[in-house]
Amino acid sequence: EPEVTQTPSHQVTQMGQEVILRCVPISNHLYFYWYRQILGQKVEFLVSFYNNEISEKSEIFDDQFSVERPDGSNFTLKIRSTKLEDSAMYFCASSKRGVTDTQYFGPGTRLTVL
Amino acid sequence: GDSVTQMEGPVTLSEEAFLTINCTYTATGYPSLFWYVQYPGEGLQLLLKATKADDKGSNKGFEATYRKETTSFHLEKGSVQVSDSAVYFCALILMITGGGNKLTFGTGTQLKVEL
Repeated sequence: EPEVTQTPSHQVTQMGQEVILRCVPISNHLYFYWYRQILGQKVEFLVSFYNNEISEKSEIFDDQFSVERPDGSNFTLKIRSTKLEDSAMYFCASSKRGVTDTQYFGPGTRLTVL
Repeated sequence: GDSVTQMEGPVTLSEEAFLTINCTYTATGYPSLFWYVQYPGEGLQLLLKATKADDKGSNKGFEATYRKETTSFHLEKGSVQVSDSAVYFCALILMITGGGNKLTFGTGTQLKVEL
């Protein structure tokens, strides 16, 4: 069964460094998403991406964040200058269509900023 | 704004016990409602969903009914197993412009089932 994959599973970085989190969505899906979960808190929407552009972003997704689909299979989240409060589990998701179509999630990348 | 509230955990049950995890929502319009489950070390998996009032979603012995009058979507299972130990997330979908959708999640409820 097709699944969303994410790498790395755990990333440790120093404050101020750039990180890139990688995701491979399900191959025939057209909509891509990033969510994050700070330890003990809710899963929060960050951004949605369709047709090579951002559809919507939350207030969390400021200028330090960017997303890209550099080729036909990968979907990346970049944080330019990490802060301590960026430490969280980051989940990638994809859906075949928009509207109320089911989103399929990857296993997550745990980002630790020291 | 739109939000989801679910009961706090952890919930600890004996095997074969009855499970209820409460979930209520606040939303403009009529959202679609979901339960996702996260097993240890894995990602979020869709457990069940309901797209309109009075719909019942069901999967793997779990059920939830979309109740518009009480704005609720409580998760139930008649007889839990140790393998059901996981974190359960209630969520609603908001349609957004430009295509796609955005899930709003509750805080998650950890379930631990013991022999």
